[in-house]
Amino acid sequence: GNSVTQMEGPVTLSEEAFLTINCTYTATGYPSLFWYVQYPGEGLQLLLKATKADDKGSNKGFEATYRKETTSFHLEKGSVQVSDSAVYFCALSDQGQGGKLIFGQGTELSVKP
Amino acid sequence: NAGVMQNPRHLVRRRGQEARLRCSPMKGHSHVYWYRQLPEEGLKFMVYLQKENIIDESGMPKERFSAEFPKEGPSILRIQQVVRGDSAAYFCASSPQATSSETQYFGPGTRLLVL
Repeated sequence: GNSVTQMEGPVTLSEEAFLTINCTYTATGYPSLFWYVQYPGEGLQLLLKATKADDKGSNKGFEATYRKETTSFHLEKGSVQVSDSAVYFCALSDQGQGGKLIFGQGTELSVKP
Repeated sequence: NAGVMQNPRHLVRRRGQEARLRCSPMKGHSHVYWYRQLPEEGLKFMVYLQKENIIDESGMPKERFSAEFPKEGPSILRIQQVVRGDSAAYFCASSPQATSSETQYFGPGTRLLVL
């Protein structure tokens, strides 16, 4: 079945460091791919998405490119801030009925000043 | 446009009691999804509903759990005879369409604690 694998956390970085969170997926067909962010005690917020191969999603300095050849959707940011500390979830939408989301296990990011 | 609303935000129940979790989707959204987040884990799909219909309940435990989305009012996730293993955060999401490219918008969640 479809699945998503993320790099394990926690990831600890200094402010202004470069961020990469790896995400790979297994899927039949052509799913859409998403990154969601969860701040402590809150729900998930969409960070960015890509709906077809070679699409690049971007938002708030974060980017991810849908790579079908490597089945990956790695999240990157050139210079992280303390306010980026959160848990990041990679997800794919199941092309079956209803487009339910299949999530990775989440990667906790902690940015130190 | 108000976002997805869930209540209560926190719910404490003793073993054997019933838990009712409510979700009001965003205005104009007729598709509702429920997900469960167990401690230290990612989110797992439970059920997908449209108004008055359950479309996909492949992630729902076979016993004690049920969901509905009536013509009027919020979607309800009901857990009967709760056990300690039901302690988790339950998130509702809604979308205007049910296609794989459509964004799902999440509520703040209900954190259930079973004593």
